[in-house]
Amino acid sequence: GAVVSQHPSWVICKSGTSVKIECRSLDFQATTMFWYRQFPKQSLMLMATSNEGSKATYEQGVEKDKFLINHASLTLSTLTVTSAHPEDSSFYICSARAQGDIGTSSYEQYFGPGTRLTVT
Amino acid sequence: LAKTTQPISMDSYEGQEVNITCSHNNIATNDYITWYQQFPSQGPRFIIQGYKTKVTNEVASLFIPADRKSSTLSLPRVSLSDTAVYYCLVGVMGGSQGNLIFGKGTKLSVKP
Repeated sequence: GAVVSQHPSWVICKSGTSVKIECRSLDFQATTMFWYRQFPKQSLMLMATSNEGSKATYEQGVEKDKFLINHASLTLSTLTVTSAHPEDSSFYICSARAQGDIGTSSYEQYFGPGTRLTVT
Repeated sequence: LAKTTQPISMDSYEGQEVNITCSHNNIATNDYITWYQQFPSQGPRFIIQGYKTKVTNEVASLFIPADRKSSTLSLPRVSLSDTAVYYCLVGVMGGSQGNLIFGKGTKLSVKP
């Protein structure tokens, strides 16, 4: 089946520094990738939609200059949290939608395992 | 995208069948219904997807009435490892954006 990986799985950084999170589709090409954020005991909140070769589309309330998204290839999207603050501490999850049919349905999105970011 | 409503939590015991119902009164003609499972500190995992009537796979069944304003995820003979949050999503997954909007989900607790 389609696999999406994220790296790192967890990261601790100091306030004011930047952190990059990678999302890779391992065995399929993803024309579109999505980034979500999840706070403890809450649901996933969509942050942005990333299309290969074009600028990401951010959801209302998400600062595009703070959360930089790059989707340079059909298998890699990166999220950079710039000038991180403690309130950015969260679980960041990416998902990828396959190009064409994969597996049993062309309408599935495949989620990565998530990255736990802690800003001290 | 259609909004969904699910019970916040459900309790069950091992071996029982669990049915989680989701309401989506504003579902559009092109919308699919998809269910995901999420364990703590993990990404959601696809369970099942359907458009109408009944869909069954190796882990669950999805029942969708004719008006499609609701759907029921059925988990046969649950085990402790089925304790998780279950999300019902409605949308056009293969559309121009296909972004998924997650509701609050249903926290299923399976007891021995």
